[in-house]
Amino acid sequence: QKEVEQNSGPLSVPEGAIASLNCTYSDRGSQSFFWYRQYSGKSPELIMFIYSNGDKEDGRFTAQLNKASQYVSLLIRDSQPSDSATYLCAVKALGAGSYQLTFGKGTKLSVIP
Amino acid sequence: DGGITQSPKYLFRKEGQNVTLSCEQNLNHDAMYWYRQDPGQGLRLIYYSQIVNDFQKGDIAEGYSVSREKKESFPLTVTSAQKNPTAFYLCASSIASASYNEQFFGPGTRLTVL
Repeated sequence: QKEVEQNSGPLSVPEGAIASLNCTYSDRGSQSFFWYRQYSGKSPELIMFIYSNGDKEDGRFTAQLNKASQYVSLLIRDSQPSDSATYLCAVKALGAGSYQLTFGKGTKLSVIP
Repeated sequence: DGGITQSPKYLFRKEGQNVTLSCEQNLNHDAMYWYRQDPGQGLRLIYYSQIVNDFQKGDIAEGYSVSREKKESFPLTVTSAQKNPTAFYLCASSIASASYNEQFFGPGTRLTVL
């Protein structure tokens, strides 16, 4: 069974610091990786996706993928109180017609002013 | 504005009652999905549809039914056979691509059994 593991947290960081969120996955055939941000009581919002090994940067966010270690991470630089939310990692398997994502349970991030 | 709408925002169901949750998208996406989220849990896939008039069961389809008569619409019915339906229901859509699958979510429907 495909599994996506995340530390549930809460992860507390001071304002202005770097927040590091980690995710491991069990299916070595996984192809695409996504990070969603979910505020309390709201629906998930896609903030980053990555398909190739290495780093991908978008503003204050950097996604890092290491397929050999089956590990994907999200770095948030200059963390702000508005970044306080639950971050969901999602993984898509390789294969034609395979459109399903497998989600982790999420890591709750708290940025302390 | 392009997006996904879900209605109602809150829904209350009595024991033994079927209820239908609406999901509409104007993103011209071929694929649509229904997820369920319980407190402290990840999203679990109920059903998905890659094309009109076709849909597939996800991991927790028992007690649910769907239809896909139009590209824009993918309603979910929670039947009386679903024994623990209280949850946050999320509809999503994406392009139908084997390689890329960024899914975008609607605002959700919170269902409570009375």
